[in-house]
Amino acid sequence: DAGVIQSPRHEVTEMGQEVTLRCKPISGHDYLFWYRQTMMRGLELLIYFNNNVPIDDSGMPEDRFSAKMPNASFSTLKIQPSEPRDSAVYFCASSLKGVEAFFGQGTRLTVV
Amino acid sequence: DAKTTQPPSMDCAEGRAANLPCNHSTISGNEYVYWYRQIHSQGPQYIIHGLKNNETNEMASLIITEDRKSSTLILPHATLRDTAVYYCIVRVQAAGNKLTFGGGTRVLVKP
Repeated sequence: DAGVIQSPRHEVTEMGQEVTLRCKPISGHDYLFWYRQTMMRGLELLIYFNNNVPIDDSGMPEDRFSAKMPNASFSTLKIQPSEPRDSAVYFCASSLKGVEAFFGQGTRLTVV
Repeated sequence: DAKTTQPPSMDCAEGRAANLPCNHSTISGNEYVYWYRQIHSQGPQYIIHGLKNNETNEMASLIITEDRKSSTLILPHATLRDTAVYYCIVRVQAAGNKLTFGGGTRVLVKP
């Protein structure tokens, strides 16, 4: 398996624009996690899914953030409208039964 | 999940064993100790986990004290590629229980 695949690897956008980050988990994994990493706050869990159903979204910072998992092989994290403070590296991870998590390479988002 | 305390940074010599401590004095009986690391610009990588017995795999060894209030991750022969931030996490191994990352230990392996 190619591992967890995230796209794009880098995204630069202007404030106010919509941003969509994508994730393809490892085939057969039943959990999917979205994390955000900044220098100030470290790695923060935003939301996670089990069998495509959102389980805990308490880490989602505000209504501008939304995440979906329409099927077992794809998830999106959307920010609308984006703000400069959303600049961070966003990681997607997947796991089987929530034990060992495998992380993608991340998407570096810059909002100018 | 129980809180963990790790030193913010440490250096070690290439080829020597690196011993990374972690305190988790409030750990509960059903909580496991997990270690992950994050090499610069990459996503975190799972290393090892354990409940109360010592564990070893191809990457590292995990030594958990008898009272389970602390643990040590051992990298037996550190290489330059082991330079990374190492995270000690305590969590219940219930299906789906989320991973909460703290500050970790920044390990620099020097030639």
